[in-house]
Amino acid sequence: AQSVTQLGSHVSVSEGALVLLRCNYSSSVPPYLFWYVQYPNQGLQLLLKYTTGATLVKGINGFEAEFKKSETSFHLTKPSAHMSDAAEYFCAVRSPSGSARQLTFGSGTQLTVLP
Amino acid sequence: IAGITQAPTSQILAAGRRMTLRCTQDMRHNAMYWYRQDLGLGLRLIHYSNTAGTTGKGEVPDGYSVSRANTDDFPLTLASAVPSQTSVYFCASRIKGDAGELFFGEGSRLTVL
Repeated sequence: AQSVTQLGSHVSVSEGALVLLRCNYSSSVPPYLFWYVQYPNQGLQLLLKYTTGATLVKGINGFEAEFKKSETSFHLTKPSAHMSDAAEYFCAVRSPSGSARQLTFGSGTQLTVLP
Repeated sequence: IAGITQAPTSQILAAGRRMTLRCTQDMRHNAMYWYRQDLGLGLRLIHYSNTAGTTGKGEVPDGYSVSRANTDDFPLTLASAVPSQTSVYFCASRIKGDAGELFFGEGSRLTVL
């Protein structure tokens, strides 16, 4: 079984400050990892994903995440927050093996950017 | 415009009524999914279909049914709606491949009174 834990259901940062959204997972095998973003009244869209290879993954809108196997983490960062980054962010994991291979989502982190 | 279309965008429904949420995609993706989104719980998988003609149960399938007669359409039916099914429902499809990303519709907000 796989699971995802997002620490902090709400995170507030000032515009221009570092954004750090935390994600830890549990999986019996090294998984595929994803971050999705949801803007108000919209569906989710992919920010970035890790499958294999380089553990630092760059995504859209200046976001990046680092896969740390020893810490079972995949934290999302952005050096300088912008007002347009205000949204809900979801971490997700999929096992690369098994019959179902369904995505399991975390409970989400609402990011507020303060002027 | 390519993507996933969901209908209706919003619906208020009396308990006990039957309701079908429609989902259509034009990307020819094989896999399709239905999720429900509830505050503090993230997205939970209701049902999925890996290819036309096949369906499977997700994490929270009770009270819901799906069909997949063709590649493009994946309707979700509530046979007899209950208030606990009040939620926002998202349909999604997936690019071929294990690491393929999901593409989401804009959601259907359902309120069961």
